[in-house]
Order: sequence, then structure tokens, then C-alpha cells
Amino acid sequence: GQQLNQSPQSMFIQEGEDVSMNCTSSSIFNTWLWYKQDPGEGPVLLIALYKAGELTSNGRLTAQFGITRKDSFLNISASIPSDVGIYFCAGHRGAQKLVFGQGTRLTINP
Amino acid sequence: NAGVTQTPKFRILKIGQSMTLQCTQDMNHNYMYWYRQDPGMGLKLIYYSVGAGITDKGEVPNGYNVSRSTTEDFPLRLELAAPSQTSVYFCASSTQQGVNEKLFFGSGTQLSVL
Repeated sequence: GQQLNQSPQSMFIQEGEDVSMNCTSSSIFNTWLWYKQDPGEGPVLLIALYKAGELTSNGRLTAQFGITRKDSFLNISASIPSDVGIYFCAGHRGAQKLVFGQGTRLTINP
Repeated sequence: NAGVTQTPKFRILKIGQSMTLQCTQDMNHNYMYWYRQDPGMGLKLIYYSVGAGITDKGEVPNGYNVSRSTTEDFPLRLELAAPSQTSVYFCASSTQQGVNEKLFFGSGTQLSVL
């Protein structure tokens, strides 16, 4: 099946640092979504992107729909302890079901 | 404000046992889904439903069955549990499919098959 490759697989940062992660595919996607999963909980939608080049913010989070439509990026500014968790990208291709990346695990040292 | 509710939260099964993972949503969503999450592997779609009485296979349906007799409920059945079914299972629902599909997830069921 289609694959979304997330990078990095894990991150260990200091509180207050900025975070960048990305999601790439060999296929073109029509929609990109970013989810966050807190420990012991289900994923929660953070940002949805619908157009190539689109840049959308949600508080300290900013995500972009890549120009080639084959990638997306998520940035977190000034990280805080509650940002800890696993971040998943997901995408739609046409009428097919949502495809998820394998996740980026974020750990923050206080 | 319950959203998507899954039970149980944790379960240990012996090989060959059967069980049903329960999922109910109170948002009147037509679309419901079952995913499994394995470490480092993301979420894989097991089965989905576009409405009461209609279900379809996802990417990894083998070893599972579902039913959708009401809009609210979408139980997942494991008939003969195998160690390969050790995973975290998530139920989700949405109002739309396609490019506007946004999933609301339950808090998951952690299943171990020993």
C-alpha cells in the first residue's frame, strides 16, 4: 500500500526549543492532516491542509502542504512539556482511505 | 461530551480465545473505523463502515469481523486470538469521507494475546 514516511522517528529536545518534522511520499496527496497522540490516548487532529503551498497555524504549531503535493511539514515553536507525544501525519489520495505515517515521538527534557 | 468511547481499556487473551471490542459514538457520525497501532508502524485500517448495515474491509482485515446494526455502535470481533493480534486498537468516527474526512478517535484498547 501507499506509504508516508515521517522523519525523524524520534526527537529528544530541551524545553523551549523549536521542533521541525516532516512527512514525505512518492505519491501525490490531496489532503494532509497532522494528529497528536498523548500517552494512553487516541490521536487528536491538530491541523488539516487542503491546497499545495498552504500554510496553517494552530497556536504554536504551523504546518505546510508541500508545493509538490508529496510532502508536508509541521513546526512547533517554543516547546513546552505538554507537547510530548507522538505526532502522526496522514493523507488522502482521491477516493482512497486515509493513510497514516509511522509517527514522530517527541520527548522534552525540562 | 463523550465522543467515541471504547471498552475495555486493557485485555489479556489466551491464544484461541475470542472477544469483542466495543465502540460507541454519540456524535451521530455515519462513518466509523477500526485501526490497529503497532509500535513504529503507524495506524492500519482494519474495517470501516459508511452507515448502519454497511461494512467493508480495510488494509488488514484478516482475523477480524465487524457489524454495524446502529449508527452509534461498531463492535470489532476477534474469533480465534493469535499473538500477531497483540496491538493497540482504536475506533474512530467522522462526518464525511474523502478529502474532508476528519477522524475523531477513542482512547484505545490495549490487547495482549499470550
